[in-house]
Amino acid sequence: KQEVTQIPAALSVPEGENLVLNCSFTDSAIYNLQWFRQDPGKGLTSLLLIQSSQREQTSGRLNASLDKSSGRSTLYIAASQPGDSATYLCAAYDPYAGGTSYGKLTFGQGTILTVHP
Amino acid sequence: EAQVTQNPRYLITVTGKKLTVTCSQNMNHEYMSWYRQDPGLGLRQIYYSMNVEVTDKGDVPEGYKVSRKEKRNFPLILESPSPNQTSLYFCASSFRLATSNTGELFFGEGSRLTVL
Repeated sequence: KQEVTQIPAALSVPEGENLVLNCSFTDSAIYNLQWFRQDPGKGLTSLLLIQSSQREQTSGRLNASLDKSSGRSTLYIAASQPGDSATYLCAAYDPYAGGTSYGKLTFGQGTILTVHP
Repeated sequence: EAQVTQNPRYLITVTGKKLTVTCSQNMNHEYMSWYRQDPGLGLRQIYYSMNVEVTDKGDVPEGYKVSRKEKRNFPLILESPSPNQTSLYFCASSFRLATSNTGELFFGEGSRLTVL
């Protein structure tokens, strides 16, 4: 059974710092890994989707990497801003898990990020 | 604007009173899913649908029903709500590519349900 863990559970940094959020998964047979952002009381917004054949994806100040062999993905946020404060979740997709033809998407518990001015 | 719309956003109800949370997407997505989010438990999948008239159970389907009569709509039905169904509910959708890839998943804003 796939398990996805995010460390740390919470992180508080001053504005301007570069930071790394970690996501680890137990079963390396994933098809893709997705990073989401969730603002308080809101839905999840997709940030980056990394296919299993890719090593990383970039969008603006965000860079996500994927190392299937070690079961790890990292989300790098450059020059953090107070507007980056949110919960960040990763989700690993395994097309052969769950006993269905669809497969299974497994979410981590999230990292709560606070960037203070 | 591409979006997933859920209604109602907030609801307080009493035990046993049937309710429906609607979900609609305008992106012509084949795949739709319902999740509940609870503190300490994260996101858990309730039901999902891979296309019209095709639905299947997720991890926590007990006490819920769904239907997919049209591609754009995927309502979540609580026939007899109980207090343990108090939660934040999310609907999500995506394209289902030929390779069975989830593709990018789009979420609604959430529906906060309280059952007294």
